Amino acid sequence: DAGVTQSPTHLIKTRGQQVTLRCSPKSGHDTVSWYQQALGQGPQFIFQYYEEEERQRGNFPDRFSGHQFPNYSSELNVNALLLGDSALYLCASSLQGSSYNSPLHFGNGTRLTVT
Amino acid sequence: AQSVTQLDSQVPVFEEAPVELRCNYSSSVSVYLFWYVQYPNQGLQLLLKYLSGSTLVKGINGFEAEFNKSQTSFHLRKPSVHISDTAEYFCAVTAVGSARQLTFGSGTQLTVLP
Repeated sequence: DAGVTQSPTHLIKTRGQQVTLRCSPKSGHDTVSWYQQALGQGPQFIFQYYEEEERQRGNFPDRFSGHQFPNYSSELNVNALLLGDSALYLCASSLQGSSYNSPLHFGNGTRLTVT
Repeated sequence: AQSVTQLDSQVPVFEEAPVELRCNYSSSVSVYLFWYVQYPNQGLQLLLKYLSGSTLVKGINGFEAEFNKSQTSFHLRKPSVHISDTAEYFCAVTAVGSARQLTFGSGTQLTVLP
């Protein structure tokens, strides 16, 4: 049973460019959340997708956008990259409506470096 | 809104010694509490969670934590650590009834020394 998979594992971009990160949720999960983890910090919630719609959003600018596909996979897009966007981006999946006894499953992340 | 404070950024400890990683939280509503572990170049793995009931919760790898509502704390403990416990540990909180939007602390690096 495959867990949460993210691609690519590493990415280097230049300031001002745009980037797309991808996530496939754990089999049986229908909800995807994205987190940004800056170096030396804890993860920060970006947004959550369910039924192909953004359901919740953290305190991130509109440069951060996402998408969820009918197969529940998801993309995170960041436009006009800034140096401060350099971070590990984590995807987490869950089953909507399940209790917290069913935990979030995290992927290994995509390491984005902006130069 | 919720917030989490992990009081120690780094905790070095010798192998087979006990360890406590401290976590305090702030919230105006009832919360669920979690501890996650992150090994280098990996995602987060759930160690344990407090949802309700007994305030002492046991998790994987011999870890346990105690929820103290009056102190707004959720400290993580292990009676005897191993080299393999070396990792970053994150305390997290979410409001009861929320859709799994976790607020994390800044993490504690546990280093187990031989």
